[in-house]
Amino acid sequence: AQTVTQSQPEMSVQEAETVTLSCTYDTSESNYYLFWYKQPPSRQMILVIRQEAYKQQNATENRFSVNFQKAAKSFSLKISDSQLGDTAMYFCAFMKQSGTSGSRLTFGEGTQLTVNP
Amino acid sequence: KAGVTQTPRYLIKTRGQQVTLSCSPISGHRSVSWYQQTPGQGLQFLFEYFSETQRNKGNFPGRFSGRQFSNSRSEMNVSTLELGDSALYLCASSLWQGIGEQFFGPGTRLTVL
Repeated sequence: AQTVTQSQPEMSVQEAETVTLSCTYDTSESNYYLFWYKQPPSRQMILVIRQEAYKQQNATENRFSVNFQKAAKSFSLKISDSQLGDTAMYFCAFMKQSGTSGSRLTFGEGTQLTVNP
Repeated sequence: KAGVTQTPRYLIKTRGQQVTLSCSPISGHRSVSWYQQTPGQGLQFLFEYFSETQRNKGNFPGRFSGRQFSNSRSEMNVSTLELGDSALYLCASSLWQGIGEQFFGPGTRLTVL
């Protein structure tokens, strides 16, 4: 079974600054995806970024980037130029990659990020 | 393209009743997964449906069941409701099972009194 751990329950950052959220995972699988989702107060779960394990290059989406360390089983999210709208709960998630065994996301506990003006 | 929709958005039930929640995936998506979110247990996987068949099931009692229709829409049913079933139920869809990201609906907030 896979486990995902987010060791920072809460974080805060000043607007326009950079913040990094940590995530570690444990798996024996070789092919998998890692995701970061954000859940603002509306409770709508929004995909932020995804990383395929076979890709060595770290994924980037505008102000969001990841530091994927496969050997260390670490997957951190960096948010640059933080904006007030980034305030949300952030979840790290794991999914085994397979076209036959189904989709099952395993989530971490979440990190509540607050961006202060 | 329309996103994942879930109905109803809010439900209040009493213990012992049963409830059915509905989820319409993004057009063209074949896989639908359900998750339960509570403050104490976090986000937990309930089950996944693909091509009208349950492909995966989480560790939930048999009171939780689901189905998927030929148009990929899915329903989940909870029978004999308990207070602990109060939660946000999230539905997510993806193009194919086990491939790519899942996109979530707005959720159904179930309160059991």
